[in-house]
Amino acid sequence: KAGVTQTPRYLIKTRGQQVTLSCSPISGHRSVSWYQQTPGQGLQFLFEYFSETQRNKGNFPGRFSGRQFSNSRSEMNVSTLELGDSALYLCASTTLTGSHEQYFGPGTRLTVT
Amino acid sequence: AQSVTQLGSHVSVSEGALVLLRCNYSSSVPPYLFWYVQYPNQGLQLLLKYTSAATLVKGINGFEAEFKKSETSFHLTKPSAHMSDAAEYFCSVSDPGTASKLTFGTGTRLQVTL
Repeated sequence: KAGVTQTPRYLIKTRGQQVTLSCSPISGHRSVSWYQQTPGQGLQFLFEYFSETQRNKGNFPGRFSGRQFSNSRSEMNVSTLELGDSALYLCASTTLTGSHEQYFGPGTRLTVT
Repeated sequence: AQSVTQLGSHVSVSEGALVLLRCNYSSSVPPYLFWYVQYPNQGLQLLLKYTSAATLVKGINGFEAEFKKSETSFHLTKPSAHMSDAAEYFCSVSDPGTASKLTFGTGTRLQVTL
């Protein structure tokens, strides 16, 4: 089974721009969660999508948004980028059955200049 | 609210020595607990999980962890460290009601020396 894939792997953007990141979950997984990882704040939960609906949300401003498509692929969007948005963005998928473990993708490294 | 505390941001052990990475959690409900490992420029890989079954949990690569409710701890151990174990380790907690929302500790970087 293929793992979680994220595209692109690396991205450089300028302050004020917007960015869209993509995540394809493991086949059969319907829940996709997004996390931000920074040296200062560590790993923080952004949001979770299940069956095209946002089910849980972390404490991030409205500039951070996401969506999920009918094939469970998910995108997250960050508008009006700030320098502090530079981070590794990780996507994880889960089956929501059994032990609920999450499987993570390799991440997208976003640098805002 | 749930939280995780990992004691020691850096741990250094000799190859062949015992690895002990500490994790204490706070949760208002019986938690799910996980240990993940992250190698440079990679995502997180699940090492092991506790979901209210056996309190001693065995994971991949020879790691294991013991859930101790009285101490609210879930420490990660490995009897004999290998150079390939050098990485960053994260303890995380979720509650069964929102299992897809993980709360992570700040991580422990494990260094293995010859």
